[in-house]
Amino acid sequence: DAGVIQSPRHEVTEMGQEVTLRCKPISGHDYLFWYRQTMMRGLELLIYFNNNVPIDDSGMPEDRFSAKMPNASFSTLKIQPSEPRDSAVYFCASSSVPGYLNSGANVLTFGAGSRLTVL
Amino acid sequence: AQKVTQAQTEISVVEKEDVTLDCVYETRDTTYYLFWYKQPPSGELVFLIRRNSFDEQNEISGRYSWNFQKSTSSFNFTITASQVVDSAVYFCALGDNAGKSTFGDGTTLTVKP
Repeated sequence: DAGVIQSPRHEVTEMGQEVTLRCKPISGHDYLFWYRQTMMRGLELLIYFNNNVPIDDSGMPEDRFSAKMPNASFSTLKIQPSEPRDSAVYFCASSSVPGYLNSGANVLTFGAGSRLTVL
Repeated sequence: AQKVTQAQTEISVVEKEDVTLDCVYETRDTTYYLFWYKQPPSGELVFLIRRNSFDEQNEISGRYSWNFQKSTSSFNFTITASQVVDSAVYFCALGDNAGKSTFGDGTTLTVKP
């Protein structure tokens, strides 16, 4: 497997523009997570999906952020309109079903991240 | 609520020194998972180890070892004979049975030659 694939790797945009980040999870993983990393806040969980259904979006900062998972192999995180404070590295990660008998349970495989700069 | 505390923000050692990274967690769950991840300067996040709450056995993998103590809610990570390539940010994380993981703020380890 090629791992978790994110695009774009780098995005520079101007305030007010729409930004769409994309993620392809590992095939067979039932969970998909979107994290944001900044110096100030560290790694924060924005939203996660189980079997394409959003389970917890309490970390989404505001209505400008939205995430979708139309099928098991694709997810998007959209910011509209973008603001300079949204500048961060956005990571997508996937994992298999939790459970202590599953040796890979809850282990997150991260994508390389999308570095977003909003001017 | 789940919480992970990595009290050491930055640690600097000289090559070949041993170093321990501390991690303390809080949870009300009886089933949970603990992890360490490494983020080298290149920026990717790499899984190192997972322990579940029912298994307090310590683990050793080469120069790396982990000490899990439920009595003190700690999951510490020791690197023996550190090397420059160990320089990275190390994150401790706590996972629940719903699949969600909460990360600590990370410890930046610098190993000087």
